This record gives sequence, C-alpha cells and structure tokens, in this order.
Amino acid sequence: NAGVTQTPKFRVLKTGQSMTLLCAQDMNHEYMYWYRQDPGMGLRLIHYSVGEGTTAKGEVPDGYNVSRLKKQNFLLGLESAAPSQTSVYFCASSYHPVGHIQNTGELFFGEGSRLTVL
Amino acid sequence: RKEVEQDPGPFNVPEGATVAFNCTYSNSASQSFFWYRQDCRKEPKLLMSVYSSGNEDGRFTAQLNRASQYISLLIRDSKLSDSATYLCVVNLAGGTSYGKLTFGQGTILTVHP
Repeated sequence: NAGVTQTPKFRVLKTGQSMTLLCAQDMNHEYMYWYRQDPGMGLRLIHYSVGEGTTAKGEVPDGYNVSRLKKQNFLLGLESAAPSQTSVYFCASSYHPVGHIQNTGELFFGEGSRLTVL
Repeated sequence: RKEVEQDPGPFNVPEGATVAFNCTYSNSASQSFFWYRQDCRKEPKLLMSVYSSGNEDGRFTAQLNRASQYISLLIRDSKLSDSATYLCVVNLAGGTSYGKLTFGQGTILTVHP
C-alpha cells in the first residue's frame, strides 16, 4: 500500500540552487497539497491542486512553483533556494475537498522531505 | 493573533493519567474541526474529527465549544504509545479557504512509565 510517496526524503542545497520535489499518490485522489512544517509554526499550505492541470496558491507560495501534469503526481519546485526554505515538506492528498460535506477531514500525507539550504 | 492556537507543552504525564489539550480558533465561521497525531519525524495522521455534540473514540474524547471558539481533546488512561504531537486542525469557511485546512503548531505529549 504505497499511498503517498515523496522523493527525495532528504536533500541539502546551496543557496541559489534549484530542485524539484516529487509527490506521487496511487489512490486516484483529485486533490493534492504541498505543506511546509517549521518549528513552532505548524503546517502551512504552499500550493494546492484541485485536479489534473490545475494549481492554486496557498498561504506561503513565494519562492515555489508547482505543476500537476498527471493526476497522480504533484511537483514542487524551488527555482533559487534560500536558507529560509530550510524546512520539512509534506505532500498530501484527499478524494474530496476539505470543505465538501462528504469529506471526513482526512488528508493522506507522505512521509516528508527534509530540505536544508546552506 | 494566530488563526489556530495551541499550548505547545510539552505535557509530561505518567502512564494511566488523564490529560487534556485545548485549542482556540479565531474565525467564528470555521466549519469543521479535527485532531491529527504526529509521531516524531513522521507524517501527520488523522486521529479524529470533532463534532458539535462531542464524540468519543475509545480513550479519546473530543469536544467543540463554538461559543468560546475552542476545541479540546481528552485522553484517558494514557499509554506510552500515546506519546506524540497532537495537532489541532480547522477548516476555515469561505471561498478562499476552499479545500484547505489550517493547522495549529501542535501540543507535545510525553507519557512516561
């Protein structure tokens, strides 16, 4: 049962380098999300997608780009990494949107990607 | 003021103890509420939803007080395996928050022998 898979799980970057985090889900979920988690801050939404080919900004989108070319994949890109982007990144997915009456509030998370920018 | 606030703890309790966490939210139009659990260096997982009438799942009881804008989680007969961070999660109403949840910073619980 793969669920939500994130790659890579760890990465160290130098300031100014670029990289892409890949999220893949095998549950046929429409909705996918990228969060970052920092000490004392809780999880904050970076970008999300309500379906293949669509993306939208979340709470902290600056410095990140995303793409959802295939329903099962949601990519998070850092074009020019900065030390402030050192964080743990979580991808999540859900079948229904959180506001939907049939949604139980459950997001399925990947195991996280720990990124350090020096 | 943060949209969702929790006491970060840590709460250190002995096995068998009862412990309660509170969480306050600022938007009175918030529609749905949840508790997630996150083990150390792991991903968050849904623990339980919080219903207006209160709900129980084994040793866990969740309550919602809309008038005071807070939710609570009560854990009875604590086990060592309950040690984790508990995240309060709120679904804010409104078109701009469609499909998104707001997470509190989490409350750390350590249960010791």
